[in-house]
Amino acid sequence: KAGVTQTPRYLIKTRGQQVTLSCSPISGHRSVSWYQQTPGQGLQFLFEYFSETQRNKGNFPGRFSGRQFSNSRSEMNVSTLELGDSALYLCASSLAGGNSYNEQFFGPGTRLTVL
Amino acid sequence: DAKTTQPTSMDCAEGRAANLPCNHSTISGNEYVYWYRQIHSQGPQYIIHGLKNNETNEMASLIITEDRKSSTLILPHATLRDTAVYYCIVRVGDGGFKTIFGAGTRLFVKA
Repeated sequence: KAGVTQTPRYLIKTRGQQVTLSCSPISGHRSVSWYQQTPGQGLQFLFEYFSETQRNKGNFPGRFSGRQFSNSRSEMNVSTLELGDSALYLCASSLAGGNSYNEQFFGPGTRLTVL
Repeated sequence: DAKTTQPTSMDCAEGRAANLPCNHSTISGNEYVYWYRQIHSQGPQYIIHGLKNNETNEMASLIITEDRKSSTLILPHATLRDTAVYYCIVRVGDGGFKTIFGAGTRLFVKA
């Protein structure tokens, strides 16, 4: 069974631009969560989508947004990029979402560099 | 803030058991304890989870204290490939995932 895939794997942007990252969950998984990982802040939760609805949200500014499609694939968008947005962006999928016994499976991440 | 506290780093000799502790004194009755690990620049990998009973799988064992305020992840025969950051997490949020990661424990397995 294929794992979580994320595209692109690497991305370089300049300040002020916007970026869209994509995540394809494991087949049958309906919950997709996004995380940002930086050396200074560690792994931080961005948001979670389940059945095309945002169900949980972390403490990030409105420049960070996401959506989920009917096939459970998800995208996240960052507008007006800042240098501090340089990070590894990780996507994780889960079978049902919300049930404590369902583990999350992480993708390899997208490494975003903002110049 | 993360609901768990872990040592910043630990060393372990190759072939020996690695015992990684985690404190989660404010855990709620319906929250599970999960362990993940992250090898440099890769996505975190699920290891094991439990509620109150000890658990074992092909990767590790999880020992949860009776009061559920702490747990220990045991890698029975550590190898060099087990060098990674290990995260202990308790699941937060109702009806959805809002996983809060702490800083984790950096485990160095030495030959």
